[in-house]
Amino acid sequence: GDSVTQMEGPVTLSEEAFLTINCTYTATGYPSLFWYVQYPGEGLQLLLKATKADDKGSNKGFEATYRKETTSFHLEKGSVQVSDSAVYFCALSGGGSNYKLTFGKGTLLTVNP
Amino acid sequence: ETGVTQTPRHLVMGMTNKKSLKCEQHLGHNAMYWYKQSAKKPLELMFVYSLEERVENNSVPSRFSPECPNSSHLFLHLHTLQPEDSALYLCASSQEEYTSDTQYFGPGTRLTVL
Repeated sequence: GDSVTQMEGPVTLSEEAFLTINCTYTATGYPSLFWYVQYPGEGLQLLLKATKADDKGSNKGFEATYRKETTSFHLEKGSVQVSDSAVYFCALSGGGSNYKLTFGKGTLLTVNP
Repeated sequence: ETGVTQTPRHLVMGMTNKKSLKCEQHLGHNAMYWYKQSAKKPLELMFVYSLEERVENNSVPSRFSPECPNSSHLFLHLHTLQPEDSALYLCASSQEEYTSDTQYFGPGTRLTVL
């Protein structure tokens, strides 16, 4: 079945550091890929998404490129802020007849001033 | 911005209690979902409703009983829960079920079973 593997956290960075959170997936068909973010005490919010190979999703300085050849959707940001501290979830919505959202376990990011 | 609200935000209950979680979406969506979020585990899809009809029950124990009286409201009725049911329960909605449409999540109910 479909699955998502993302790097184990926690990740701790200083403000203005470069961020990468790795995400790889296994799916049949042609899935859509998502990054969701969960700030403390809140539900999940969509951060960005990409629906086909080589698409780049971007939002709030975050980017991720849908790489079909490496089955990856790594999240990057050039300069993180304290306000980016949150849990980040990679997810896929499978192609074919299965469009259920499948999530990774989440990566906790802490950004220190 | 949150178009999905959940009440209560926190709930503590004993194993013999009966309680209900409530979710309301203000987005005009047709599909609603219940997820369970436990520490160190991926989000687990529990139930999916489309236009008030249940389209998925993901092998959830019968001590969890969902109800969808209309497309804007979703309940999760709880009875005789176990301590391992303690988790964050998230409600979500999307325009249609099982598409690549974005799912919008509520803030969750933090449930503790004593």
